[in-house]
Amino acid sequence: AQSVTQLDSQVPVFEEAPVELRCNYSSSVSVYLFWYVQYPNQGLQLLLKYLSGSTLVKGINGFEAEFNKSQTSFHLRKPSVHISDTAEYFCAVSVSLSAGGSNYKLTFGKGTLLTVNP
Amino acid sequence: KAGVTQTPRYLIKTRGQQVTLSCSPISGHRSVSWYQQTPGQGLQFLFEYFSETQRNKGNFPGRFSGRQFSNSRSEMNVSTLELGDSALYLCASSLGGNGYTFGSGTRLTVV
Repeated sequence: AQSVTQLDSQVPVFEEAPVELRCNYSSSVSVYLFWYVQYPNQGLQLLLKYLSGSTLVKGINGFEAEFNKSQTSFHLRKPSVHISDTAEYFCAVSVSLSAGGSNYKLTFGKGTLLTVNP
Repeated sequence: KAGVTQTPRYLIKTRGQQVTLSCSPISGHRSVSWYQQTPGQGLQFLFEYFSETQRNKGNFPGRFSGRQFSNSRSEMNVSTLELGDSALYLCASSLGGNGYTFGSGTRLTVV
């Protein structure tokens, strides 16, 4: 079965500093990878996703992530954060449950609370 | 195009009651998944419906059930509510495993 580990439950940073939110996954089959952001009392908004191709993926709000197959990681980065980036971030993997590839299951990590301080 | 719509946004129920939540997916999406989010357990998968059939199921008691209609709208039902059922319930619609769009959620409070 697949699993997702977000190594830091909380990450405090100062405004305009760079940030990296770490995500590792385990799966015996190939995966699709996602990062979502959640603001208080809201649903999940897709930041970016890796499906195939280039291992460096760019998303919304200046975020990017790099897929590393050998290290089974998909870390999220931003070179300069803003106060408005304060939110919870979730890493997720989607794995095919059937040979035909039409039946998938999405599994989430526990989340990382990013707090940007002035 | 319209996103994923969940109704109601907020609910307060008493222990022992039952509740029904609704999710309307993006037009053309046949898969609807449900998740329970709590501070202690994070995001936990409840079940997934595809073409009116439950295709996958998480590890929740039988009090949690769902269904999907021919227009792909889905409902989930929780019977005999417990205090621990208080959570944000999120649904996601997808075409396949390469993209999931979430609704804003239903905040259920059991008192």
